[in-house]
Amino acid sequence: QVHLQESGPGLVKPSETLSLTCSVSGGSVTTDYWSWVRQPADKGLEWIGRVYNGGNTNYNPSLKSRVTLSVDTSKNQFSLKLNSVTASDTAVYYCTRGRFEGFDPWGQGILVTVSS
Amino acid sequence: QSVLTQPPSASGTPGQRVTISCSGSSSNIANNYVYWYQQLPETAPKLLIYRNDQRPSGVPDRFSGSKSGTSASLAISGLRSEDEADYYCAAWDVSLDGYVFGSGTKVTV
Repeated sequence: QVHLQESGPGLVKPSETLSLTCSVSGGSVTTDYWSWVRQPADKGLEWIGRVYNGGNTNYNPSLKSRVTLSVDTSKNQFSLKLNSVTASDTAVYYCTRGRFEGFDPWGQGILVTVSS
Repeated sequence: QSVLTQPPSASGTPGQRVTISCSGSSSNIANNYVYWYQQLPETAPKLLIYRNDQRPSGVPDRFSGSKSGTSASLAISGLRSEDEADYYCAAWDVSLDGYVFGSGTKVTV
């Protein structure tokens, strides 16, 4: 059974880089598609992007210029970096496995606040 | 502004049937699978329907999905209090080369 766990700073200053890691257990980051999804408070879900096949990526066009996704096969983790953050990037960030069978499972989510 | 359009809310009494719509375009729903997610308060989303109308193991058959053209629907029959949640549709969008989510529908029982 695959389990995902997000980790990283809960507070990031404006203009800096948000960095999160998703640790995968029960599965391998070398297979399947691995995505990040975020949700601002009291708002809907927004797909950020995905990494697959050890390093191929797709990004949400609205975030593409600021986002980098990568995998660390030695640690069985995948990561998100979002640079030049502003208050509008404050959200709960989820990592999830994506297949033709849908996004499943999901991590519990991590709240990241952008504030000085 | 979400690419996929859902009604903001839906409601029903216990035992009733509720239907949630998801409207898209030829770039997404019409030519790709539709997925539905349930998000209970303060929890991560949960996969409810995949490939338009398939239920993952453990999802009650009270939940059903369908698709026609550029729209999709989620139906909840025999509504129960524990179905109070936000529901999101999602699909791959070939124009955006990425996944898009609906705006979400809050179901009240």
